[in-house]
Amino acid sequence: KQEVTQIPAALSVPEGENLVLNCSFTDSAIYNLQWFRQDPGKGLTSLLLIQSSQREQTSGRLNASLDKSSGRSTLYIAASQPGDSATYLCAVSGTGNQFYFGTGTSLTVIP
Amino acid sequence: KAGVTQTPRYLIKTRGQQVTLSCSPISGHRSVSWYQQTPGQGLQFLFEYFSETQRNKGNFPGRFSGRQFSNSRSEMNVSTLELGDSALYLCASREAPPNEKLFFGSGTQLSVL
Repeated sequence: KQEVTQIPAALSVPEGENLVLNCSFTDSAIYNLQWFRQDPGKGLTSLLLIQSSQREQTSGRLNASLDKSSGRSTLYIAASQPGDSATYLCAVSGTGNQFYFGTGTSLTVIP
Repeated sequence: KAGVTQTPRYLIKTRGQQVTLSCSPISGHRSVSWYQQTPGQGLQFLFEYFSETQRNKGNFPGRFSGRQFSNSRSEMNVSTLELGDSALYLCASREAPPNEKLFFGSGTQLSVL
């Protein structure tokens, strides 16, 4: 069964800092990997999706990379802002059409 | 294009009651999945429906059931509610291949008293 881990569980950084969030998965036979952000009590907002054949995707200040062979993905956030404070989750999909989610990294950006 | 719509936004029930939650996916999406989210357990997969058929099922008791209609709208039902069923219930619709991107609704916050 696919296991997805996100480290660290919580992260606090000063505004303007660049940061990296990590996601690792145990089964490299994935179809795609998706990064989400979630604000308290709300649904998940999709940030980036990387297909298994791709190495990275970029959207604005966000860059996500994927290394299938090592079972890792990173989400890079440039020039962090207080509005980036949220929980960030990664999810992988593989055989059986099911998505497996990590437990998330809670990010706080201090003004 | 309208996003994923979940109703109601909040629900308060008492133990032993049953509840039905509704989800309307993004137009054109045929896959709808349901998740339970609690502070202690994180996001847990309940089930997925595709073209009115249950395609995948998570590890939840039979009190949790769902269905999907011909217009892709989905309902989730929980019978004989327990205190531990208090959670945020999230619905997601999935794009068709090759992307198969997931889009989530705002969720239904269920409190069982």
